[in-house]
Amino acid sequence: DAMVIQNPRYQVTQFGKPVTLSCSQTLNHNVMYWYQQKSSQAPKLLFHYYDKDFNNEADTPDNFQSRRPNTSFCFLDIRSPGLGDAAMYLCATSSARAVNQPQHFGDGTRLSIL
Amino acid sequence: RKEVEQDPGPFNVPEGATVAFNCTYSNSASQSFFWYRQDCRKEPKLLMSVYSSGNEDGRFTAQLNRASQYISLLIRDSKLSDSATYLCVVRPLSGGYNKLIFGAGTRLAVHP
Repeated sequence: DAMVIQNPRYQVTQFGKPVTLSCSQTLNHNVMYWYQQKSSQAPKLLFHYYDKDFNNEADTPDNFQSRRPNTSFCFLDIRSPGLGDAAMYLCATSSARAVNQPQHFGDGTRLSIL
Repeated sequence: RKEVEQDPGPFNVPEGATVAFNCTYSNSASQSFFWYRQDCRKEPKLLMSVYSSGNEDGRFTAQLNRASQYISLLIRDSKLSDSATYLCVVRPLSGGYNKLIFGAGTRLAVHP
């Protein structure tokens, strides 16, 4: 059974039209992450939540926002998508209750911009 | 310099071959190390953690050399199903709880 679920798997939006990607987890992990991955590149961390505390990476554009209404759900909002935002967006979770824990990824949402 | 560097490949090997991937990391204070596998257009999946003493999981052996800041992955008796991109992943001491730094990956193609 999938433990980190991302919806939708594929998302097409228009240039400049806001879009929201969602992630849910059944692992009860207190840390949730959003990554952007472009073709043949490493996943790039955008931000993460430690419980309700939001931690933004220094180079994440203001265009990207996130919400975490409860432990299970986390959303990625792209306010005005540009062509350069077309990528795979990956949600991951980990437990902060023990050190050195790996991250568990969802299937990803592939975003296309028209 | 990238924080985690890998040879992008591709490594093209026949079934049954032994292949080794290398990875270097720049932050000497890094404390955890992993290999992830990523299939084309899929999410990364944990292959194995890497321990200081080296560790083995079936056909896969991981080694860590802290002095040289170097990690390796050895795959013995390659299978067609091993074809994927292998991501070297490092957890730095600082920078957010359980934050991971990913390499860009090494592509492996195993052919009949």
